[in-house]
Amino acid sequence: DTEVTQTPKHLVMGMTNKKSLKCEQHMGHRAMYWYKQKAKKPPELMFVYSYEKLSINESVPSRFSPECPNSSLLNLHLHALQPEDSALYLCASSQVGIDQPQHFGDGTRLSIL
Amino acid sequence: GENVEQHPSTLSVQEGDSAVIKCTYSDSASNYFPWYKQELGKRPQLIIDIRSNVGEKKDQRIAVTLNKTAKHFSLHITETQPEDSAVYFCAANTGTASKLTFGTGTRLQVTL
Repeated sequence: DTEVTQTPKHLVMGMTNKKSLKCEQHMGHRAMYWYKQKAKKPPELMFVYSYEKLSINESVPSRFSPECPNSSLLNLHLHALQPEDSALYLCASSQVGIDQPQHFGDGTRLSIL
Repeated sequence: GENVEQHPSTLSVQEGDSAVIKCTYSDSASNYFPWYKQELGKRPQLIIDIRSNVGEKKDQRIAVTLNKTAKHFSLHITETQPEDSAVYFCAANTGTASKLTFGTGTRLQVTL
C-alpha cells in the first residue's frame, strides 16, 4: 500500500484553468517534497517543505504555488500552465534531515491542453 | 551543484544472471545514496540506500557498494527475475540540504 496519497490520479486542464494537486501522508514525516517527472526522465525536485515551511524552491515558475497547511498535507496550486508543464507530479515525504529516505506517492498525471 | 551520472542506460540480462548499475557523483559532501525502482506507470520505490559511513549494504538479492574516494556507487542484483524488470534510478543528496539529485536511469530488462 502507498503511504503517501496523491489526488487526483489524472488531471486534464486548459491553460487558463486553476486547479490544485493534493498530497497526504500519515507517517509522521515533517519534510515533504514536490517533484516533476517527464516521460523517460528522472524526477526533478521542485519544492521542499520542512516543518511546514518552504525551505527549497528550485527556481520554479510562479504559475506553480505550493502550500503546506499542516504536517500531513501538501498542496500544489496550478494556474495558467503551459503545454510543457504536462508531466507526472510526484509528492514525497521523509523525516527531516539531509540523509532521510524519501517515500513517493503514485503521482498525478497532468495534461495541459 | 551535485551531478549524478548513471550507466548503462539500458541493460538486458537473462533470468538468473546478475545485473550491475553504476553511478558517479560530483559533490564530495554527499553522504546519502538511495536507489529507486520505477515500474511503468508507477511511483519510484525505494529499494535500498547507503550512507557514507559504510562501504556495502545488502538486502536479500540486492546490494549496494560505495567508494567515497572515487565518488561512485553501484547497485548489484543477483539471481534476477522477470519482476526485476523496471527503470532504476540512483540518487545522491547534497551535503547541506534535503535535496536529492537523480541519475538519468537504467532500464533493466530480464528475459526468460
